Amino acid sequence: GESVGLHLPTLSVQEGDNSIINCAYSNSASDYFIWYKQESGKGPQFIIDIRSNMDKRQGQRVTVLLNKTVKHLSLQIAATQPGDSAVYFCLFGNEKLTFGTGTRLTIIP
Amino acid sequence: NAGVTQTPKFQVLKTGQSMTLQCAQDMNHNSMYWYRQDPGMGLRLIYYSASEGTTDKGEVPNGYNVSRLNKREFSLRLESAAPSQTSVYFCASSPSFDQPQHFGDGTRLSIL
Repeated sequence: GESVGLHLPTLSVQEGDNSIINCAYSNSASDYFIWYKQESGKGPQFIIDIRSNMDKRQGQRVTVLLNKTVKHLSLQIAATQPGDSAVYFCLFGNEKLTFGTGTRLTIIP
Repeated sequence: NAGVTQTPKFQVLKTGQSMTLQCAQDMNHNSMYWYRQDPGMGLRLIYYSASEGTTDKGEVPNGYNVSRLNKREFSLRLESAAPSQTSVYFCASSPSFDQPQHFGDGTRLSIL
């Protein structure tokens, strides 16, 4: 498939360790936030979302943290697996949503 | 369910040619979106349709037009293709703007 995000920031994590991927958002009026995972040659896949009235939300092996004071969103992946290798994007906004730049997660076996 | 279906998957055009990218969803979603993704960048919103009968410009609408044909279908048209429009185009849909968007697998468009 085509290359996704040739020049994106890269995070390399040892298999089994926890991963933390960060996103700084610009729109202070944002009230809805989503994390997506994109594998090469595919469309983005929904991971987890959070609304502005929450600070933390947990899913299966993933946790999203929202700090509205500094406009920062993070995705924590527990016990990272080879299948977690992908580009991760945050999406934020209110009526109109904007994608963040993205981070490439690489798993070291 | 097929989810979001985009056609074609690949297309090569010459500069100045016109082209319509098709998108259909079978999830009864109200909102639909068109994005483009260039290497090294995230997805950028071209146009969106909050509900059937409405369309609005996104971040990068120049050179494109859209049609929300019915609730299921949302097409993207390039009237006069330019090399700068070489990209991967993604269609997405969601029940409403504040719910997760579901994406198709993309149309890879090259303009020579």
